[in-house]
Amino acid sequence: KNEVEQSPQNLTAQEGEFITINCSYSVGISALHWLQQHPGGGIVSLFMLSSGKKKHGRLIATINIQEKHSSLHITASHPRDSAVYICAASTGTASKLTFGTGTRLQVTL
Amino acid sequence: DGGITQSPKYLFRKEGQNVTLSCEQNLNHDAMYWYRQDPGQGLRLIYYSQIVNDFQKGDIAEGYSVSREKKESFPLTVTSAQKNPTAFYLCASSLAGHNEQFFGPGTRLTVL
Repeated sequence: KNEVEQSPQNLTAQEGEFITINCSYSVGISALHWLQQHPGGGIVSLFMLSSGKKKHGRLIATINIQEKHSSLHITASHPRDSAVYICAASTGTASKLTFGTGTRLQVTL
Repeated sequence: DGGITQSPKYLFRKEGQNVTLSCEQNLNHDAMYWYRQDPGQGLRLIYYSQIVNDFQKGDIAEGYSVSREKKESFPLTVTSAQKNPTAFYLCASSLAGHNEQFFGPGTRLTVL
């Protein structure tokens, strides 16, 4: 069993839909990251959070420390949101990350 | 512009050959990391370095080697001992003690 689990693995949505991607972790963490990987392979950091909720544009990330669960929400989804979204947990020292397997999102017109 | 560069983007090698992947950053970050990504799997840590002239093995270090002679550079050598070298390799860096990592564009290595 992976220490960081994401669901769903694949997600198809129509433009405008509200999207939720879930992440559960089984280890103690110092921070939880949401990353976006585009088809070319490059990864950008969307959020880093250790409690509560963060919002950036149409993206919202929440974390429940007691339940060891985080969600990434996309409001008013758009085809340009199509990417792989990766959840990662900062564990231990040296800023090491443990990654989920990713959620492949496709938003269609 | 500050950032992390990896070159080349695509690399092809014959089986049995060693190959070195480049990673350079001008962010003045102390820590650097190498990850491997395979289809259907999360990124896995190969090696990391928190300071010049020091590095530690990650979860899947066998068949790989690194050096950290300069703060801005952390090259990864995929040796012939690596059983399944074909993969997408990502380099990342961070400030010392900071959780946020910045990623390079990646190198896709194919061993024929």
